[in-house]
Amino acid sequence: GAGVSQSPSNKVTEKGKDVELRCDPISGHTALYWYRQSLGQGLEFLIYFQGNSAPDKSGLPSDRFSAERTGGSVSTLTIQRTQQEDSAVYLCASSLAGDRGLRLSEKLFFGSGTQLSVL
Amino acid sequence: GQNIDQPTEMTATEGAIVQINCTYQTSGFNGLFWYQQHAGEAPTFLSYNVLDGLEEKGRFSSFLSRSKGYSYLLLKELQMKDSASYLCRTDKLIFGTGTRLQVFP
Repeated sequence: GAGVSQSPSNKVTEKGKDVELRCDPISGHTALYWYRQSLGQGLEFLIYFQGNSAPDKSGLPSDRFSAERTGGSVSTLTIQRTQQEDSAVYLCASSLAGDRGLRLSEKLFFGSGTQLSVL
Repeated sequence: GQNIDQPTEMTATEGAIVQINCTYQTSGFNGLFWYQQHAGEAPTFLSYNVLDGLEEKGRFSSFLSRSKGYSYLLLKELQMKDSASYLCRTDKLIFGTGTRLQVFP
């Protein structure tokens, strides 16, 4: 597609339920990133995929969070047993490359995000 | 590890010039990005610096000094629509906390 697509745009769930958030990166982009952003706060790194390499999961806040990327394209972020503190906007981004330090080819293109509200 | 510092908030008047600073400590430098994020929207790319000096792009310019671990974003002829957060990124994965700029008439 033309840009990074995320779904759903809004998700309201009850505490303790599992949720799945989807990200469709720009076609041809090898790197995919998940961030979350609480209201008025900065971007918090969650997980990073680059090609066929093992993902960098160093930002995941707990083992309730997991993500996968199938076929080097679509990614799903799963949050199990959601808690109220998980409420945030979850942003996905992709870049053309992701293994050259911080070159211009690693300019991030963001999706519009999923607003998650845990009641 | 990486450490990126930006002022939390700034205010300015329409038509003025504002400079938003970003200081960083990094074990290995490869480049620096600035992004703009309007409230309720996703960040969008503004500029990229890898060499020392000033990169000018219309009303926006970005400066880098690698030896000082310092960058700034310069916004000229401010417009109301420039009210947004400005995020500095000098690590593959980490962003600065962002500077919220409010432009007043």
